[in-house]
Amino acid sequence: GDSVTQTEGLVTLTKGLPVMLNCTYQTTYSPFLFWYVQHLNEAPKLLLKSSTDNKRTEHQGFYATLHKSSSSFHLQKSSVQLSDSALYFCALSLSSGSWQLIFGSGTQLTVMP
Amino acid sequence: GPKVLQIPSHQIIDMGQMVTLNCDPVSNHLYFYWYKQILGQQMEFLVNFYNGKVMEKSKLFKDQFSVERPDGSYFTLKIQPTALEDSAVYFCASSLGTGGHAEQFFGPGTRLTVL
Repeated sequence: GDSVTQTEGLVTLTKGLPVMLNCTYQTTYSPFLFWYVQHLNEAPKLLLKSSTDNKRTEHQGFYATLHKSSSSFHLQKSSVQLSDSALYFCALSLSSGSWQLIFGSGTQLTVMP
Repeated sequence: GPKVLQIPSHQIIDMGQMVTLNCDPVSNHLYFYWYKQILGQQMEFLVNFYNGKVMEKSKLFKDQFSVERPDGSYFTLKIQPTALEDSAVYFCASSLGTGGHAEQFFGPGTRLTVL
């Protein structure tokens, strides 16, 4: 069935370093991929989305490229900041019926001074 | 930006009781969703709702669950009776349209603890 896999549960980095959070997916439908970010005690907010193969999408310094050949949509940033500490979810929208989101298990990113 | 509100933020109840979780979606949105997240696990789709009707529900949406949005007020999730396994954070979401690029706006969640 349709699924999303995030391999890292916890990532801890020092401020200023680059980061890549992995996301791979499985679906038989045309994929729509999303990254949501959730800061402590706040609602998840959309960070990025894409359905276009091999096109980089960017927002707030974060970027990701959907690669249909490898079923991946990894999130990257070249220099993390303290304010980037949050929970990051990758999600897949099922392109049928209700367009429900299938979420990965999330990656907790902690940025240290 | 647009905000989805959820009331209450925390709810503790005894097993077997009824509980209603309230969601105040973005004002002009037409599609409404509930997701469930058990501690340490991923968020999972429960149900979505449009034009007064359930469009689709998952296997997690048990017979004890119901949703409604009477007269454009709160979008509610009712569980009656509750069970221990209903303990989770419940997230409400809304969207203006449907389709792959339609952004779902999420509330901060209601943490439900069933004792």
